[in-house]
Amino acid sequence: QQQVKQSPQSLIVQKGGISIINCAYENTAFDYFPWYQQFPGKGPALLIAIRPDVSEKKEGRFTISFNKSAKQFSLHIMDSQPGDSATYFCAAVKGSSNTGKLIFGQGTTLQVKP
Amino acid sequence: GAVVSQHPSRVICKSGTSVKIECRSLDFQATTMFWYRQFPKQSLMLMATSNEGSKATYEQGVEKDKFLINHASLTLSTLTVTSAHPEDSSFYICSARAGTRGNIQYFGAGTRLSVL
Repeated sequence: QQQVKQSPQSLIVQKGGISIINCAYENTAFDYFPWYQQFPGKGPALLIAIRPDVSEKKEGRFTISFNKSAKQFSLHIMDSQPGDSATYFCAAVKGSSNTGKLIFGQGTTLQVKP
Repeated sequence: GAVVSQHPSRVICKSGTSVKIECRSLDFQATTMFWYRQFPKQSLMLMATSNEGSKATYEQGVEKDKFLINHASLTLSTLTVTSAHPEDSSFYICSARAGTRGNIQYFGAGTRLSVL
């Protein structure tokens, strides 16, 4: 019940295309869903996050779509650029928990070809 | 976003020595800090959660005598890998969470530990 399943494991997109990464969760107690971007040899950086009371959040070229009934959420990267090539992790956390432990997906390695 | 500084970024040591990694929140008070370990091409594995002024809570399978965590202040947590061995070689990452900033965790840049 604590798992967050992420797909695909790897993704190759042409420059200017749309990159889509999907995640699914089981625990309905999760109430905060961040996406992190990680470049090789660096720590993850918060990209965008959403709470389950909204179905979509957009920040620049990055959009999270959230389907509460299906317990799924996805990251869309519009107009993908070579600089977006990185590993992306979805995550989920229970806000009511005083530990605030992030449950990470398995990660998606994105390559954007010029 | 908030800044979390992790030091050193890379350390190479001989087998049997101890290594200390520091994690500092530079512009906020971190009520909770987390330590992760990441193997190549894998996700982050939570090792322990530390709250300021109290003992760390270790995840199942993580040896607390091997990985000593101290969270002495609201801006500093340290991870000491004691008597390091080659199998401890990994990428260690800390994160910090402030109660005033909700659930957001801010991550350090990571420390690459290589034990010879």
